[in-house]
Amino acid sequence: DQQVKQNSPSLSVQEGRISILNCDYTNSMFDYFLWYKKYPAEGPTFLISISSIKDKNEDGRFTVFLNKSAKHLSLHIVPSQPGDSAVYFCAASTGNQFYFGTGTSLTVIP
Amino acid sequence: EAEVAQSPRYKITEKSQAVAFWCDPISGHATLYWYRQILGQGPELLVQFQDESVVDDSQLPKDRFSAERLKGVDSTLKIQPAELGDSAMYLCASSPVGGSEEQYFGPGTRLTVT
Repeated sequence: DQQVKQNSPSLSVQEGRISILNCDYTNSMFDYFLWYKKYPAEGPTFLISISSIKDKNEDGRFTVFLNKSAKHLSLHIVPSQPGDSAVYFCAASTGNQFYFGTGTSLTVIP
Repeated sequence: EAEVAQSPRYKITEKSQAVAFWCDPISGHATLYWYRQILGQGPELLVQFQDESVVDDSQLPKDRFSAERLKGVDSTLKIQPAELGDSAMYLCASSPVGGSEEQYFGPGTRLTVT
């Protein structure tokens, strides 16, 4: 049973435009949400997170939005750069347990 | 910058053979995780340690997989015997404390079972 879902396996965006990556979850007990970025042949790298008590967290070009009523979070990248091309995983945690989505492959076109 | 170390980076083994992976977490990180990532999927937790104790191994196939973290620092994950379906990326991660903290991942070990 997939508790964290990323329904878009891939996304292409023009350089300079906004990239929006989406994630849905089913478990209302999740209290922390994270986004990871992964390049080929490397482990995931932590990008940004948000606590369930907040609805927005911003770090430079990256903003994560949380809509608890819809059990939905999104990652916005503005402006998108070619170096952002990677696979992005969302993750959710409760207590000691982390659950990952299947990833969205982002391609930023120069 | 401190990193999680893993070795080997790549491993090819024949089915029914034994294979072992090693992980050295960031110094001072009490919590260590082993994940398996199959191509096209997200990481799935195999086992979680808090210091030298296992806190979650509910998804670890215990008939063939074992993991240890004897001194609460580095860790070894073993598969014996390996099966074709074990081909995957094995990721190690660590975090300062258990709970809702970001994890720091190593580069992973790509296992191919032939």
